[in-house]
Amino acid sequence: NAGVTQTPKFQVLKTGQSMTLQCAQDMNHNSMYWYRQDPGMGLRLIYYSASEGTTDKGEVPNGYNVSRLNKREFSLRLESAAPSQTSVYFCASNLASSYEQYFGPGTRLTVT
Amino acid sequence: EDQVTQSPEALRLQEGESSSLNCSYTVSGLRGLFWYRQDPGKGPEFLFTLYSAGEEKEKERLKATLTKKESFLHITAPKPEDSATYLCAVQATTGSGNTGKLIFGQGTTLQVKP
Repeated sequence: NAGVTQTPKFQVLKTGQSMTLQCAQDMNHNSMYWYRQDPGMGLRLIYYSASEGTTDKGEVPNGYNVSRLNKREFSLRLESAAPSQTSVYFCASNLASSYEQYFGPGTRLTVT
Repeated sequence: EDQVTQSPEALRLQEGESSSLNCSYTVSGLRGLFWYRQDPGKGPEFLFTLYSAGEEKEKERLKATLTKKESFLHITAPKPEDSATYLCAVQATTGSGNTGKLIFGQGTTLQVKP
């Protein structure tokens, strides 16, 4: 049981490049989330998926898109990366929306 | 506006020196309050969930309590391995149903010296 896994662990992009961050969970959870963590800002919700087939915007969705590929996988795409998107990105999941969320190890993204 | 504030930002303790971390929150309606531990370079690790004022939860040297305005994480006789950043998050009730959204505080970084 690996829990929540994320790939890649590290990534450096140039401004304007695109990339997809991958997240998968093997806990049969229904809900999945993408957060970014910046110094002094705490964790902020980008997008979430309450169940397979649904996605909704969080607090800071601009510049991002998501896909809930199936119950296990939830990807985050940056279409045209900007330096302001330099951050640590965390994926999380929970059984249902009122339960505790379990986090992945994070992806450290630098945009130059 | 829903808001979570943690204090202090940083705390340095000697091994065995007990203390408390504070999490003050302002939400329209509280569905749950969550405590997480985060080690450097890793994702947050779930510790506790509290749902109503007066509730308490314990795990080893940690005890979390909840009032209508704040939560405390009490650390009794801490050890160096308790050094980490402790995050508090709240989930608010909404009229459109429970979306699972969490509002996080900025965290308290605890350092325990031997």
